[in-house]
Amino acid sequence: AQTVTQSQPEMSVQEAETVTLSCTYDTSESNYYLFWYKQPPSRQMILVIRQEAYKQQNATENRFSVNFQKAAKSFSLKISDSQLGDTAMYFCAFMIYNAGNMLTFGGGTRLMVKP
Amino acid sequence: DADVTQTPRNRITKTGKRIMLECSQTKGHDRMYWYRQDPGLGLRLIYYSFDVKDINKGEISDGYSVSRQAQAKFSLSLESAIPNQTALYFCATSDSAGSGGGNIQYFGAGTRLSVL
Repeated sequence: AQTVTQSQPEMSVQEAETVTLSCTYDTSESNYYLFWYKQPPSRQMILVIRQEAYKQQNATENRFSVNFQKAAKSFSLKISDSQLGDTAMYFCAFMIYNAGNMLTFGGGTRLMVKP
Repeated sequence: DADVTQTPRNRITKTGKRIMLECSQTKGHDRMYWYRQDPGLGLRLIYYSFDVKDINKGEISDGYSVSRQAQAKFSLSLESAIPNQTALYFCATSDSAGSGGGNIQYFGAGTRLSVL
């Protein structure tokens, strides 16, 4: 079975600064995907970024980037130039390739961006 | 309109009552999922369905049942609600196509359920 661990239940950052959210996972699979989802106070789950395990290049989406360390089973999310709208719960999630698209989630990190 | 619609958005019920949460989607996806969110535990999979005739239990299916009435509709039932089923419930969909688009899940806005 796969497990996903987010060791930081809460974090805060000043507006315009950079913050990194940590995620580690455990699996015996070699082909998989990793995701970061954002859940603002509206409750909507919004996909932030996706990483395919076979790709060595780290994914980026505008101000969001990941540091994917496959050997260490680590998948951290870096948010640059933090904005007030980034305030949300962030969930790291894992999906085995070609096995039904089921997601295994971490417990989440609540991020507060302060003005 | 939202691609994945959950109703109701909020619901309060009493212990022992039967309750149904509904999910419909306009994305044309064949795969649908029900998750439960609890503080500190993230989202956990309750049931999933790959098509109308293919329904499977997830990690925490005890106390729940589902019905896939059509490709676009997937409902979750609590036959006899209990207080520890108080949680935020999410429906999600995904395509079964290749890796280019077949692995992203799209979520509804969630149903907050309180069982008193």
